[in-house]
Amino acid sequence: NAGVTQTPKFQVLKTGQSMTLQCAQDMNHEYMSWYRQDPGMGLRLIHYSVGAGITDQGEVPNGYNVSRSTTEDFPLRLLSAAPSQTSVYFCASSYNFGRTYEQYFGPGTRLTVT
Amino acid sequence: AQKITQTQPGMFVQEKEAVTLDCTYDTSDQSYGLFWYKQPSSGEMIFLIYQGSYDEQNATEGRYSLNFQKARKSANLVISASQLGDSAMYFCAMREGLNDMRFGAGTRLTVKP
Repeated sequence: NAGVTQTPKFQVLKTGQSMTLQCAQDMNHEYMSWYRQDPGMGLRLIHYSVGAGITDQGEVPNGYNVSRSTTEDFPLRLLSAAPSQTSVYFCASSYNFGRTYEQYFGPGTRLTVT
Repeated sequence: AQKITQTQPGMFVQEKEAVTLDCTYDTSDQSYGLFWYKQPSSGEMIFLIYQGSYDEQNATEGRYSLNFQKARKSANLVISASQLGDSAMYFCAMREGLNDMRFGAGTRLTVKP
């Protein structure tokens, strides 16, 4: 099991560019989510999905899009990068979305927008 | 509104001693789960321990235990016999019902030799 994988590990973008952060899991988990981590603010939820074809917004969704066409993959798209989106991005998954399920995290993508 | 509060931005502990990291939470749900994660300097998020709101016993996992006080809405992490490898950021998180997971701002623990 590879668990949760994310690519790329590092990325530098210019303001206005778009890109997709990739996330995949091989644990057949229904629930997947994207977080961003900024210094002093912990992790904040961007978008999440409770199954293929179903996505919803989290706490900080503006400037990001997601889709979930398969159980395994949950890409995060930055539409027009801004310096405020400089952050570390984590993808996570759990077997289901109930209160008892811990999330498994990917290694993170460090994004810098200049 | 802040759901998870970790009031200690940084903590120091001597090697082999115990340390308590504080976490308070806010919810009106009866059904929720509380989690602690460790983030070492390498950046990955490592799940440590889970406590359910209906669990009567405090959760334990090796050197980690969770001091759960439901009436006070606190879920403090206790690390016994600290090791140098315990130096990391520690995050408290809560999952209410069928909702997503919310995190606190974290506590940076430094273990001194």
